[in-house]
Amino acid sequence: GENVEQHPSTLSVQEGDSAVIKCTYSDSASNYFPWYKQELGKGPQLIIDIRSNVGEKKDQRIAVTLNKTAKHFSLHITETQPEDSAVYFCAAERSFGGGKLIFGQGTELSVKP
Amino acid sequence: NAGVTQTPKFQVLKTGQSMTLQCAQDMNHEYMSWYRQDPGMGLRLIHYSVGAGITDQGEVPNGYNVSRSTTEDFPLRLLSAAPSQTSVYFCASSFSAANQPQHFGDGTRLSIL
Repeated sequence: GENVEQHPSTLSVQEGDSAVIKCTYSDSASNYFPWYKQELGKGPQLIIDIRSNVGEKKDQRIAVTLNKTAKHFSLHITETQPEDSAVYFCAAERSFGGGKLIFGQGTELSVKP
Repeated sequence: NAGVTQTPKFQVLKTGQSMTLQCAQDMNHEYMSWYRQDPGMGLRLIHYSVGAGITDQGEVPNGYNVSRSTTEDFPLRLLSAAPSQTSVYFCASSFSAANQPQHFGDGTRLSIL
């Protein structure tokens, strides 16, 4: 069935360093790829998304890249800050997929001051 | 706007009891959904609704019922609680079901003894 693999499961970086989280999806019909940030005790919050007609998208310190041929997409956070510490989830959805997101397993990011 | 509101925030049940998890949104979103989050497994879709009066099953629907009588509300019912249903439950909504950002509530933490 449809599957999204996310790596690494934990990531620890020093403040100011960059962090990269990678996801691989199995369904070639996937067309929409959001990233969510989840802080402790809260629900996931969308931080950036990308559609398959775009290879890269950037929003300040956050960027996402997509390689549809390889079925990979990645989240890049530059100049990390302690408030970036959270669990990050990638997800994939088909075109007109009925809102049915398939989530990765999550990455716990820790940014050390 | 309150966004997506879930009640209760915490609940402890005994095996075999029934209960309803409430979800309400004030953004006039057509699409609503329920996910469960378990350690190391990301979020998995339970049920979803593309509009009032329309519901459908997601990835893990067994043991749960839903209804959507209004645009605003999408309750999730556990008919006979089982320990395997111990989880954190998240409700989400989006403008439509077609590759749109989904807005999540802060979750209901449910323990089944």
